[in-house]
Amino acid sequence: EVRLVQSGAEVRRPGESLKISCETSGYSFTGHWIGWVRQMPGKDLEWMGIVYPDDSDTRYSPSFQGQVTVSADKSISAAYLQWSSLKASDTAIYYCARGGGEEGKKQWLVPFDFWGQGTLVTVSS
Amino acid sequence: VLTQSPGTLSLSPGERATLSCRASQSVTSTFLAWYQHKPGQAPRLLIYSASNRAPGIPDRFSGSGSGTDFTLTISRLEPEDFAMYYCQHYGGSPEYRRYTFGHGTKLEIK
Repeated sequence: EVRLVQSGAEVRRPGESLKISCETSGYSFTGHWIGWVRQMPGKDLEWMGIVYPDDSDTRYSPSFQGQVTVSADKSISAAYLQWSSLKASDTAIYYCARGGGEEGKKQWLVPFDFWGQGTLVTVSS
Repeated sequence: VLTQSPGTLSLSPGERATLSCRASQSVTSTFLAWYQHKPGQAPRLLIYSASNRAPGIPDRFSGSGSGTDFTLTISRLEPEDFAMYYCQHYGGSPEYRRYTFGHGTKLEIK
């Protein structure tokens, strides 16, 4: 069974750093892209960035380039999303999601076929 | 840009639901997906390539369309189908990826 389990809710102050995780199991972690999606309160889903764990190839949405860092640790089948300096506007639920397609083909024109349960990040002074 | 309509759809169990997703420019249907999202849960892939059901998705869910107009149809609503629904286009170029979501349709119990 494919599972993506995200770390728990976080509360931080503006300017603080944060790294949230997405632990995966049930498939070959290195064979699929892992993406991150933001949902601000009452707003739409927004794709942020994506990483291919086998070679750490990483791509970002222009809206999030330079604002966050997406990474993966294939030794423990986990993906990460991190901020160096949070803003109040980063308050949102963040989802990790697996890119579908054939394992190991590095296909990127694929939907997100499995998702994590979401991590609520609250940034408030 | 993906525009979904209606914003909210109020129906009763057993009825048929038709949800629309319109793209601002023609998209390849191969790269159009639909998701179901319930509060506090992980989004769930329903349809990919515009008309293919994801594994485990009941056959009351179907997708259709091409070009700029796509439709998700739920033939006979079950109580568990009331949720948010998003369409998504996945495309762009290898260097500049685009995984764009629509604004969503809320399917609520009438």
